[in-house]
Amino acid sequence: DAGVTQSPTHLIKTRGQQVTLRCSPKSGHDTVSWYQQALGQGPQFIFQYYEEEERQRGNFPDRFSGHQFPNYSSELNVNALLLGDSALYLCASSLAETGSGNTIYFGEGSWLTVV
Amino acid sequence: DQQVKQNSPSLSVQEGRISILNCDYTNSMFDYFLWYKKYPAEGPTFLISISSIKDKNEDGRFTVFLNKSAKHLSLHIVPSQPGDSAVYFCAALMNRDDKIIFGKGTRLHILP
Repeated sequence: DAGVTQSPTHLIKTRGQQVTLRCSPKSGHDTVSWYQQALGQGPQFIFQYYEEEERQRGNFPDRFSGHQFPNYSSELNVNALLLGDSALYLCASSLAETGSGNTIYFGEGSWLTVV
Repeated sequence: DQQVKQNSPSLSVQEGRISILNCDYTNSMFDYFLWYKKYPAEGPTFLISISSIKDKNEDGRFTVFLNKSAKHLSLHIVPSQPGDSAVYFCAALMNRDDKIIFGKGTRLHILP
């Protein structure tokens, strides 16, 4: 049973460019959340997708957008990249409304470096 | 404003001794508290959780204690093993809300 898979694992982009990161949730999961982990910080919630719609959003600008597909996979798009967007981007999958947090699984993340 | 705070960036403990990682929170509406372990180049992995209505939860070598009046929780690892060297994140969430609020993490070094 594959867990949460993310691609690409590493990438380098230039300021002003756009990036798309991808996530396939764990089998049977229908909810995908994205987190940004900057160096020396804990992961910060970007947004969550359920039934192909953004259900919750954290304190991130509109440059950050996402999408969920009918097969529950998801993409995170970041436009007009800034140096400060350099971070590890984590995808987490879960089954909607399972509550206690112990059924939320994280992928290994995508390392984004903006130069 | 950080709702979940881990004030110790790092901690070194001798192998075989007890490791105690601390965490404070500000939001009394949290329903669950979680601890995640993270190795370099891997995503966080769930370690143990506790409901806000409990004061202790134990799973093998790992025990989490919750003091609601002090808005404080701690993770005890005993005995500490070399493989426990990692970054530990304290986190919290509200019921039926899969948005996890993380602390900044504590890097645990287990010394031989």
